[in-house]
Amino acid sequence: DVKVTQSSRYLVKRTGEKVFLECVQDMDHENMFWYRQDPGLGLRLIYFSYDVKMKEKGDIPEGYSVSREKKERFSLILESASTNQTSMYLCASTRGTLAGATQYFGPGTRLLVL
Amino acid sequence: AQSVTQPDIHITVSEGASLELRCNYSYGATPYLFWYVQSPGQGLQLLLKYFSGDTLVQGIKGFEAEFKRSQSSFNLRKPSVHWSDAAEYFCAVGPMDSSYKLIFGSGTRLLVRP
Repeated sequence: DVKVTQSSRYLVKRTGEKVFLECVQDMDHENMFWYRQDPGLGLRLIYFSYDVKMKEKGDIPEGYSVSREKKERFSLILESASTNQTSMYLCASTRGTLAGATQYFGPGTRLLVL
Repeated sequence: AQSVTQPDIHITVSEGASLELRCNYSYGATPYLFWYVQSPGQGLQLLLKYFSGDTLVQGIKGFEAEFKRSQSSFNLRKPSVHWSDAAEYFCAVGPMDSSYKLIFGSGTRLLVRP
């Protein structure tokens, strides 16, 4: 079974703090994704990575950066957290370069920025 | 532009009743189509997917979906709903090219009456 884990289920941070969200997958998947989930908006792609040290912006990258130093780990960084970044963050991974491959999701991190 | 519409924000059904969740997409060609389910406090789990062949697709947990090209729809169905099906359901489309990105609908929350 594919397993995607996220470092925290719940996180409370203050405005202006630097926040790290970490995601680890154990199936040697090439591609990893960070999404943000908000009520009524579904999932929106923040960034994705198709290889170590490779990344591409998704639909809402502003205020976020990412790091992928190892194949199994993909980190989302909020350089200076703001209240409008309060949200649920979901990590996903998928194998290979085949379009339409199944994405496997972690349990999510619910972030509250005060 | 590619998009996915789930017109129902909430649906309530009685346990044992049938269910149909609607999904319409806008895409220039036949996309890959997915249904994911998110149980409370969890990440997303794939229910089923379609990219070619038989337009009626069987998934896990007794769900099925039918692709109708003429209507640009991919509706999810279940003949008899169980209380454990209460969750949020997301339809998603993926491109036929080498991109890995999925576009998600805004979700439909299913409530099940005892």
